[in-house]
Amino acid sequence: ELKVEQNPLFLSMQEGKNYTIYCNYSTTSDRLYWYRQDPGKSLESLFVLLSNGAVKQEGRLMASLDTKARLSTLHITAAVHDLSATYFCAVDLTGTASKLTFGTGTRLQVTL
Amino acid sequence: EAQVTQNPRYLITVTGKKLTVTCSQNMNHEYMSWYRQDPGLGLRQIYYSMNVEVTDKGDVPEGYKVSRKEKRNFPLILESPSPNQTSLYFCASSPGDRFYGYTFGSGTRLTVV
Repeated sequence: ELKVEQNPLFLSMQEGKNYTIYCNYSTTSDRLYWYRQDPGKSLESLFVLLSNGAVKQEGRLMASLDTKARLSTLHITAAVHDLSATYFCAVDLTGTASKLTFGTGTRLQVTL
Repeated sequence: EAQVTQNPRYLITVTGKKLTVTCSQNMNHEYMSWYRQDPGLGLRQIYYSMNVEVTDKGDVPEGYKVSRKEKRNFPLILESPSPNQTSLYFCASSPGDRFYGYTFGSGTRLTVV
């Protein structure tokens, strides 16, 4: 059974600081997805990582995938308040992204 | 606008009273799915569908039914809701291509008393 674990579960950080969210998964896969969820809102797709060593960047967020270590990271550079949200990683074993297994989420709070 | 539409957004019901949550997508996606979100548990897949009349169980299918009679619609049916089905439900659709993952609807917050 695939297990996806994220840490930390909650992260409070000051504006301007850097930090990394970790996503570990138990079964080999080279397909990993990151989503963002604002309070009371739906999930928004951030990154799709489809191979070992894949790196994607959008603004202050950068995601990477190490399939050998079964690890993905979401790095936040110089955090701003607008990045406050819950971030989820999800792993696919099917090849069609039909059955995404999600981590428990990391709630990020960026304070002034 | 490309979207996944769920209704209702909020629903309070009583134990045992059958209900249906509707889901519709306008992107001609092959795949559709239902997830429930609970604090500390992330999102867990209930059912998914690969095409019309083709559905399969996710990780937590007990107490739920689905049907896919048309490509655009994928309703979630709770025949006899119980309090442990109180949750936030998301419908999602996907082209069935690993490059995109799922596009999610706005969510339905269900309370069963």
